Amino acid sequence: DAGVTQSPTHLIKTRGQHVTLRCSPISGHKSVSWYQQVLGQGPQFIFQYYEKEERGRGNFPDRFSARQFPNYSSELNVNALLLGDSALYLCASSPPTGELYYGYTFGSGTRLTVV
Amino acid sequence: RKEVEQDPGPFNVPEGATVAFNCTYSNSASQSFFWYRQDCRKEPKLLMSVYSSGNEDGRFTAQLNRASQYISLLIRDSKLSDSATYLCVVNGPGGGADGLTFGKGTHLIIQP
Repeated sequence: DAGVTQSPTHLIKTRGQHVTLRCSPISGHKSVSWYQQVLGQGPQFIFQYYEKEERGRGNFPDRFSARQFPNYSSELNVNALLLGDSALYLCASSPPTGELYYGYTFGSGTRLTVV
Repeated sequence: RKEVEQDPGPFNVPEGATVAFNCTYSNSASQSFFWYRQDCRKEPKLLMSVYSSGNEDGRFTAQLNRASQYISLLIRDSKLSDSATYLCVVNGPGGGADGLTFGKGTHLIIQP
Protein backbone atom coordinates (compact mmCIF):
# COMPACT_ATOMS: atom_id res chain seq x y z
CA ASP A 1 0.00 0.00 0.00
CA ALA A 2 1.28 3.47 -0.83
CA GLY A 3 1.78 5.74 2.14
CA VAL A 4 1.17 9.45 2.19
CA THR A 5 2.73 10.96 -0.93
CA GLN A 6 3.78 14.58 -1.27
CA SER A 7 5.07 16.58 -4.20
CA PRO A 8 7.38 18.18 -4.97
CA THR A 9 10.08 16.95 -2.58
CA HIS A 10 12.11 20.15 -2.83
CA LEU A 11 11.29 23.62 -4.04
CA ILE A 12 13.11 26.95 -4.24
CA LYS A 13 11.04 30.11 -4.59
CA THR A 14 11.68 33.84 -4.50
CA ARG A 15 10.15 36.20 -1.94
CA GLY A 16 6.71 37.38 -3.04
CA GLN A 17 6.00 34.35 -5.20
CA HIS A 18 3.22 31.83 -4.72
CA VAL A 19 3.63 28.09 -4.10
CA THR A 20 1.33 25.06 -4.28
CA LEU A 21 2.17 21.85 -2.44
CA ARG A 22 0.32 18.59 -3.05
CA CYS A 23 -0.55 15.59 -0.92
CA SER A 24 -2.28 12.25 -1.47
CA PRO A 25 -3.42 10.46 1.69
CA ILE A 26 -3.28 6.76 2.36
CA SER A 27 -6.01 4.92 0.47
CA GLY A 28 -9.19 4.93 2.55
CA HIS A 29 -8.14 7.89 4.69
CA LYS A 30 -10.49 10.85 4.39
CA SER A 31 -8.68 13.30 6.63
CA VAL A 32 -5.63 15.33 5.62
CA SER A 33 -3.66 17.71 7.82
CA TRP A 34 -0.84 20.10 6.98
CA TYR A 35 2.07 21.02 9.24
CA GLN A 36 5.03 23.38 8.98
CA GLN A 37 8.34 22.39 10.55
CA VAL A 38 11.02 25.03 10.85
CA LEU A 39 14.56 23.82 11.57
CA GLY A 40 15.03 23.01 15.24
CA GLN A 41 11.30 23.09 16.07
CA GLY A 42 8.52 20.56 16.22
CA PRO A 43 5.91 20.59 13.45
CA GLN A 44 3.18 23.25 13.77
CA PHE A 45 -0.42 22.65 12.75
CA ILE A 46 -1.66 24.64 9.75
CA PHE A 47 -4.93 23.01 8.58
CA GLN A 48 -7.05 19.90 8.78
CA TYR A 49 -9.54 18.86 6.12
CA TYR A 50 -12.11 16.09 6.37
CA GLU A 51 -14.51 15.16 3.62
CA LYS A 52 -13.46 18.30 1.67
CA GLU A 53 -14.38 20.62 4.53
CA GLU A 54 -11.94 22.63 6.63
CA ARG A 55 -12.19 21.19 10.09
CA GLY A 56 -9.46 23.07 11.90
CA ARG A 57 -6.94 25.83 11.39
CA GLY A 58 -3.78 26.72 13.26
CA ASN A 59 -2.32 30.14 13.93
CA PHE A 60 -1.14 30.97 10.41
CA PRO A 61 -1.84 34.11 8.33
CA ASP A 62 -4.39 34.24 5.54
CA ARG A 63 -1.57 33.86 3.03
CA PHE A 64 -1.90 30.16 3.78
CA SER A 65 -4.88 28.35 2.28
CA ALA A 66 -5.74 24.78 1.43
CA ARG A 67 -8.37 22.63 -0.15
CA GLN A 68 -9.29 18.97 -0.40
CA PHE A 69 -10.53 17.30 -3.55
CA PRO A 70 -13.21 14.60 -4.03
CA ASN A 71 -10.47 11.92 -4.14
CA TYR A 72 -9.28 13.23 -0.72
CA SER A 73 -5.99 14.57 -2.06
CA SER A 74 -5.14 18.06 -0.91
CA GLU A 75 -3.28 21.20 -1.88
CA LEU A 76 -1.63 23.76 0.37
CA ASN A 77 -1.19 27.21 -1.14
CA VAL A 78 1.02 29.95 0.21
CA ASN A 79 0.91 33.44 -1.30
CA ALA A 80 3.37 36.32 -1.04
CA LEU A 81 6.17 34.10 0.23
CA LEU A 82 8.42 35.40 2.99
CA LEU A 83 11.89 34.20 3.94
CA GLY A 84 10.36 32.87 7.16
CA ASP A 85 8.17 30.48 5.18
CA SER A 86 11.25 28.37 4.48
CA ALA A 87 10.50 25.07 6.17
CA LEU A 88 9.61 21.42 5.75
CA TYR A 89 5.90 21.15 4.96
CA LEU A 90 4.39 17.89 6.11
CA CYS A 91 1.10 16.32 5.16
CA ALA A 92 -0.53 13.75 7.43
CA SER A 93 -3.48 11.47 6.87
CA SER A 94 -5.62 9.64 9.38
CA PRO A 95 -8.40 7.08 9.11
CA PRO A 96 -12.02 8.20 9.48
CA THR A 97 -12.23 6.76 12.96
CA GLY A 98 -9.65 6.28 15.63
CA GLU A 99 -7.53 9.28 14.77
CA LEU A 100 -7.48 10.31 18.37
CA TYR A 101 -5.85 7.09 19.45
CA TYR A 102 -3.95 5.74 16.47
CA GLY A 103 -2.03 8.82 15.51
CA TYR A 104 -1.36 10.24 12.09
CA THR A 105 0.89 9.02 9.27
CA PHE A 106 3.10 11.66 7.75
CA GLY A 107 4.40 11.99 4.22
CA SER A 108 8.08 12.64 3.63
CA GLY A 109 7.41 16.33 3.20
CA THR A 110 8.20 19.17 0.82
CA ARG A 111 11.27 21.18 1.69
CA LEU A 112 10.59 24.79 0.69
CA THR A 113 13.39 27.33 0.50
CA VAL A 114 12.48 30.97 -0.03
CA VAL A 115 15.33 33.19 -1.24
CA ARG B 1 3.96 28.64 29.13
CA LYS B 2 4.62 26.42 26.12
CA GLU B 3 1.94 23.87 25.32
CA VAL B 4 4.26 20.84 25.19
CA GLU B 5 7.66 21.10 26.81
CA GLN B 6 10.59 18.73 26.40
CA ASP B 7 14.24 18.82 27.34
CA PRO B 8 15.95 19.27 23.94
CA GLY B 9 19.11 17.40 25.04
CA PRO B 10 21.20 16.10 23.45
CA PHE B 11 21.23 12.97 25.55
CA ASN B 12 24.48 11.08 24.93
CA VAL B 13 23.98 7.48 26.07
CA PRO B 14 26.19 4.39 25.71
CA GLU B 15 24.82 1.49 23.75
CA GLY B 16 22.92 -0.93 25.99
CA ALA B 17 21.97 1.66 28.58
CA THR B 18 18.47 2.66 29.65
CA VAL B 19 17.33 6.20 28.91
CA ALA B 20 14.20 8.09 29.92
CA PHE B 21 12.59 11.19 28.44
CA ASN B 22 9.82 13.27 29.88
CA CYS B 23 7.51 15.95 28.67
CA THR B 24 4.79 18.11 30.18
CA TYR B 25 1.69 19.51 28.50
CA SER B 26 -0.37 22.53 29.49
CA ASN B 27 -3.90 21.72 28.26
CA SER B 28 -5.61 19.52 30.84
CA ALA B 29 -8.41 18.76 28.36
CA SER B 30 -6.03 17.03 25.93
CA GLN B 31 -7.39 13.72 24.80
CA SER B 32 -4.63 11.62 23.31
CA PHE B 33 -0.90 11.40 23.53
CA PHE B 34 1.89 10.02 21.39
CA TRP B 35 5.61 9.66 21.00
CA TYR B 36 6.94 10.17 17.48
CA ARG B 37 10.48 9.53 16.28
CA GLN B 38 12.11 11.77 13.71
CA ASP B 39 15.39 11.02 11.96
CA CYS B 40 17.47 13.86 10.54
CA ARG B 41 15.69 15.55 7.60
CA LYS B 42 12.96 12.90 7.56
CA GLU B 43 9.28 12.91 8.49
CA PRO B 44 8.06 12.09 12.02
CA LYS B 45 7.04 8.46 12.46
CA LEU B 46 4.67 7.22 15.13
CA LEU B 47 6.57 5.31 17.80
CA MET B 48 3.71 4.62 20.15
CA SER B 49 0.49 5.94 21.61
CA VAL B 50 0.50 6.65 25.34
CA TYR B 51 -2.20 5.49 27.73
CA SER B 52 -2.82 6.20 31.40
CA SER B 53 -2.42 2.53 32.20
CA GLY B 54 1.05 2.59 30.67
CA ASN B 55 1.99 0.63 27.62
CA GLU B 56 4.99 -1.27 26.38
CA ASP B 57 6.25 -2.15 22.91
CA GLY B 58 9.39 -4.25 23.04
CA ARG B 59 12.16 -2.14 24.55
CA PHE B 60 9.94 0.95 24.75
CA THR B 61 7.63 1.85 27.62
CA ALA B 62 5.39 4.91 27.71
CA GLN B 63 3.46 6.32 30.62
CA LEU B 64 0.90 9.09 31.04
CA ASN B 65 0.14 10.90 34.30
CA ARG B 66 -2.98 12.99 33.68
CA ALA B 67 -2.96 14.54 37.16
CA SER B 68 0.54 15.92 36.66
CA GLN B 69 0.12 16.41 32.89
CA TYR B 70 3.29 14.49 32.34
CA ILE B 71 4.30 11.92 29.71
CA SER B 72 7.34 9.68 29.79
CA LEU B 73 9.22 7.36 27.45
CA LEU B 74 11.68 4.72 28.61
CA ILE B 75 14.06 2.95 26.22
CA ARG B 76 15.79 -0.15 27.54
CA ASP B 77 18.90 -1.81 26.07
CA SER B 78 19.42 1.12 23.70
CA LYS B 79 20.71 0.43 20.18
CA LEU B 80 22.74 2.62 17.85
CA SER B 81 19.65 2.74 15.62
CA ASP B 82 17.69 4.45 18.41
CA SER B 83 19.65 7.65 17.74
CA ALA B 84 17.01 10.17 16.63
CA THR B 85 14.86 13.04 17.85
CA TYR B 86 11.89 11.97 19.97
CA LEU B 87 8.83 14.19 19.74
CA CYS B 88 6.20 14.33 22.46
CA VAL B 89 2.81 14.93 20.85
CA VAL B 90 -0.59 15.83 22.25
CA ASN B 91 -4.01 15.89 20.54
CA GLY B 92 -6.29 18.64 21.82
CA PRO B 93 -9.81 18.38 23.19
CA GLY B 94 -11.24 19.14 19.76
CA GLY B 95 -9.62 16.07 18.30
CA GLY B 96 -8.37 16.54 14.76
CA ALA B 97 -9.76 20.05 14.55
CA ASP B 98 -7.16 21.22 17.04
CA GLY B 99 -4.35 19.48 15.25
CA LEU B 100 -1.48 17.73 16.94
CA THR B 101 0.71 19.84 19.23
CA PHE B 102 4.35 18.84 19.13
CA GLY B 103 7.15 19.49 21.55
CA LYS B 104 10.45 20.66 20.11
CA GLY B 105 11.86 17.17 20.51
CA THR B 106 14.58 15.50 22.54
CA HIS B 107 17.73 14.61 20.63
CA LEU B 108 19.15 11.19 21.55
CA ILE B 109 22.62 10.02 20.53
CA ILE B 110 23.54 6.40 21.27
CA GLN B 111 27.28 5.96 21.42
CA PRO B 112 29.08 2.67 20.64
